[in-house]
Amino acid sequence: AQTVTQSQPEMSVQEAETVTLSCTYDTSESDYYLFWYKQPPSRQMILVIRQEAYKQQNATENRFSVNFQKAAKSFSLKISDSQLGDAAMYFCAYRTVFNSGNTPLVFGKGTRLSVIA
Amino acid sequence: DTGVSQDPRHKITKRGQNVTFRCDPISEHNRLYWYRQTLGQGPEFLTYFQNEAQLEKSRLLSDRFSAERPKGSFSTLEIQRTEQGDSAMYLCASSLAGVNQPQHFGDGTRLSIL
Repeated sequence: AQTVTQSQPEMSVQEAETVTLSCTYDTSESDYYLFWYKQPPSRQMILVIRQEAYKQQNATENRFSVNFQKAAKSFSLKISDSQLGDAAMYFCAYRTVFNSGNTPLVFGKGTRLSVIA
Repeated sequence: DTGVSQDPRHKITKRGQNVTFRCDPISEHNRLYWYRQTLGQGPEFLTYFQNEAQLEKSRLLSDRFSAERPKGSFSTLEIQRTEQGDSAMYLCASSLAGVNQPQHFGDGTRLSIL
């Protein structure tokens, strides 16, 4: 079974600075998807960014980018120019492509990010 | 696109009572997932549907839990004879078919067992 590990329970960053959240995963599969989800306090979880394992190029969405190291099974999230609205729980998630991707997500335990004004 | 809707937002009940939660997915989404999230943890998969068919159930889903999705539209999750350990946030997500389709989450239903 696949597992996802987020080793940083809490992180903090100064407004306008850059922060990197870590995620490692364990799988024997060669093709899969990785995701970062953001869950603000008392609000719904939203997708931040996703990476397809067969693509070597790291995904980027505006201020959010990933560092995908397939051999190391590492998938970190970098947030540039941090804003107060970035404060939230961040979850790393894995999804197999087996069964045409008709599968649930496997989540890590999350990292709580605080942004200091 | 009105998003995934869950009802109620909060449910407080006494141990031993039955509770039912409802999820309305995004209208064109044929896949629907239920997750459970306890304090300080990431969401854990419970069960999912493709249209009206329940395709997989986690071992977390004991016999006291049942889920339905009649007509492939909204879904209900029922917990019978609730226990203290059932206290959690229950999240619903929906998606289109396709391996690269992201799951869209609702606000969740927070269950508290007295």
